[in-house]
Amino acid sequence: EAGVTQFPSHSVIEKGQTVTLRCDPISGHDNLYWYRRVMGKEIKFLLHFVKESKQDESGMPNNRFLAERTGGTYSTLKVQPAELEDSGVYFCASSHFGEQYFGPGTRLTVT
Amino acid sequence: AQSVTQLDSQVPVFEEAPVELRCNYSSSVSVYLFWYVQYPNQGLQLLLKYLSGSTLVESINGFEAEFNKSQTSFHLRKPSVHISDTAEYFCAVSERNSGNTPLVFGKGTRLSVIA
Repeated sequence: EAGVTQFPSHSVIEKGQTVTLRCDPISGHDNLYWYRRVMGKEIKFLLHFVKESKQDESGMPNNRFLAERTGGTYSTLKVQPAELEDSGVYFCASSHFGEQYFGPGTRLTVT
Repeated sequence: AQSVTQLDSQVPVFEEAPVELRCNYSSSVSVYLFWYVQYPNQGLQLLLKYLSGSTLVESINGFEAEFNKSQTSFHLRKPSVHISDTAEYFCAVSERNSGNTPLVFGKGTRLSVIA
């Protein structure tokens, strides 16, 4: 069974540009989470989908971040416009009940 | 709200020596406790978890952690480390309810095993 996949693995963009990160959860997992790790700091929760609905988006830093989950399958996280402080590693995780399975992360660098 | 403190950001240790990675948490509600590991160039993997029952939990590769409610700690130990244990280790908690709540992580401890 395939694990959680994320695309791209790395992205380097200039300040002011737009980037879209994608996460494909494990098939059948209703719960999908986005987390972010800024360099030197802890991994922080961004938001939680249950199927296509946003269950909790309390961790989203501001309205430059937009997350969607089309049809309850894959999810995208768009950053528009990107700022320098958005640099970090963005992790996606999925779960059916309980244990969260993480993807390899997308390393975003904003220059 | 919960918070997790990992006091050591880096721990160097010689191969076959014992190691302890410390984790303390703070929470106003009951929590589940986890240790995740990230090997170089890989994603986060669950190493072990405490949900209920015995306060001592073990992983398949020789790590163990003990939940201490009075000290609000969940330290990770291994009696003899290998080079392959070199990785970053994250302690995390989540609210004890339906099981589908976000994880709150510590800052991570980078374990370096020296030959």
